[in-house]
Amino acid sequence: AQKITQTQPGMFVQEKEAVTLDCTYDTSDPSYGLFWYKQPSSGEMIFLIYQGSYDQQNATEGRYSLNFQKARKSANLVISASQLGDSAMYFCAMRSYNNNDMRFGAGTRLTVKP
Amino acid sequence: DTEVTQTPKHLVMGMTNKKSLKCEQHMGHRAMYWYKQKAKKPPELMFVYSYEKLSINESVPSRFSPECPNSSLLNLHLHALQPEDSALYLCASSQAEDYEQYFGPGTRLTVT
Repeated sequence: AQKITQTQPGMFVQEKEAVTLDCTYDTSDPSYGLFWYKQPSSGEMIFLIYQGSYDQQNATEGRYSLNFQKARKSANLVISASQLGDSAMYFCAMRSYNNNDMRFGAGTRLTVKP
Repeated sequence: DTEVTQTPKHLVMGMTNKKSLKCEQHMGHRAMYWYKQKAKKPPELMFVYSYEKLSINESVPSRFSPECPNSSLLNLHLHALQPEDSALYLCASSQAEDYEQYFGPGTRLTVT
């Protein structure tokens, strides 16, 4: 069975600094995808970044980058130059391509301080 | 355009009511999803439709009944719900099942 773990219930970061949100996963499937989503207080889930299990390079999307360490089964999200609008709940998710089931971690609430 | 729309935004219903949630996307996506999210918890997958066929049903009680009339529309029919079914119901779509999902704003459901 798949399991996603986010060990940081809450994180604080100063505006304009970088922050890393942790995510570890457990799966026996060789082929899977890792995703990060942002959920502001309005409730909508916003797709941020994707990493495939066979991708050799870490994914980047603007200020977001994914630090993928396959041997350690970790997929940490790095947000550079934090902005006040980055304050939200962040979820790590994994989909196994064996059964296409999508599972989310418990989430990390990020607060950006001015 | 990465927009998924959901109606209504809010719904209050009694335990004997029948209501439906609606989800629509016009991105040509062939997979659509229903999730349930309780407060301060992650979303939980309920149903997956792929090419208008139900491909995943995560052991959801029969009082929730999904329907996919066409590739752009996804409904969730609700009947005889319980107060513990109160939650945010999120719809999502993706190009196919192994692509990133785009979510709608959700319907906040309260069962009284």
